[in-house]
Amino acid sequence: DIVLTQSPALAVSLGQRATISCRASQSVSTSSYNLMHWYQQKPGQQPKLLIYDASNLASSIPARFSGSGSGTDFTLTINPVQADDIATYYCQQSRELPLTFGSGTKLEIK
Amino acid sequence: EVQLVESGGGLVQPGRSMKLSCAASGFTFSNYGMAWVRQAPTKGLEWVATISYDGSSTYYRDSVKGRFTISRDNAKSTLYLQMNSLRSEDTATYYCTRKGSGWYFDYWGQGVMVTVSS
Repeated sequence: DIVLTQSPALAVSLGQRATISCRASQSVSTSSYNLMHWYQQKPGQQPKLLIYDASNLASSIPARFSGSGSGTDFTLTINPVQADDIATYYCQQSRELPLTFGSGTKLEIK
Repeated sequence: EVQLVESGGGLVQPGRSMKLSCAASGFTFSNYGMAWVRQAPTKGLEWVATISYDGSSTYYRDSVKGRFTISRDNAKSTLYLQMNSLRSEDTATYYCTRKGSGWYFDYWGQGVMVTVSS
C-alpha cells in the first residue's frame, strides 16, 4: 500500500500563509496526472474535497486554497488563513488501490 | 444540490450483519461511480469500497473483501453496503461518497455510525 505521511499539526496566525505537506512512500504521478487530492474536515462534519489532481480547485472552494507537487511530495497552501479554516486536512492518493489517506494535519491558530 | 443521505447504522454484535443505504439526489445517479469511506472514532479516513456507475465493477480494500458487498439500484438512486461477519475493528462512521472524474470523492454524506460490540 502507498503510505502518505503528514505532520500531525500546524499552528499559524490569522492572515498568514499555511503550508501543509504530504509525502508519499512512492510516486503517485503518471505521465499525465498527479494523483493526489486534498480534503478539509471540520469537527463533527463530513470531509469536503478541496483540491483534486494535485492542483485543481474543487467546485465552490475559495481561491485562498491551492495545491502543488508531483512525484512523492505535495503541498496544500492556504493564504491567507481565516478563522473558518480551522480543521483537519487530509491528503489522498489514487495512483493505485487501495486508495489511501494521510493521517491528517490539524490546523491551529497561533 | 447534491445530497447523500446514509441510513441503517447502529449497534451490532460481532459476527452479525448490517446493511447501510445511501439515498442520492441532486444529480444523475446512474452517471457516477460511488464509494464508501469510513472513519473510526478519533481516527483518520479509510477507503472501503467503490462501485462503477453501472454496477458492473466493484473494488474493495483487503480487510473487507469477502465480508462486505457494495451494490446500487440506479432506478432508486440508492447505494448500499452489505456488511457480514462484522468485527470490532469495523466500528466507524461510514460515509457515502460520490466518485469524481478520477478516483477521488467530490461529495460526501453526513455519515452513519456503526458500532460492533457485544
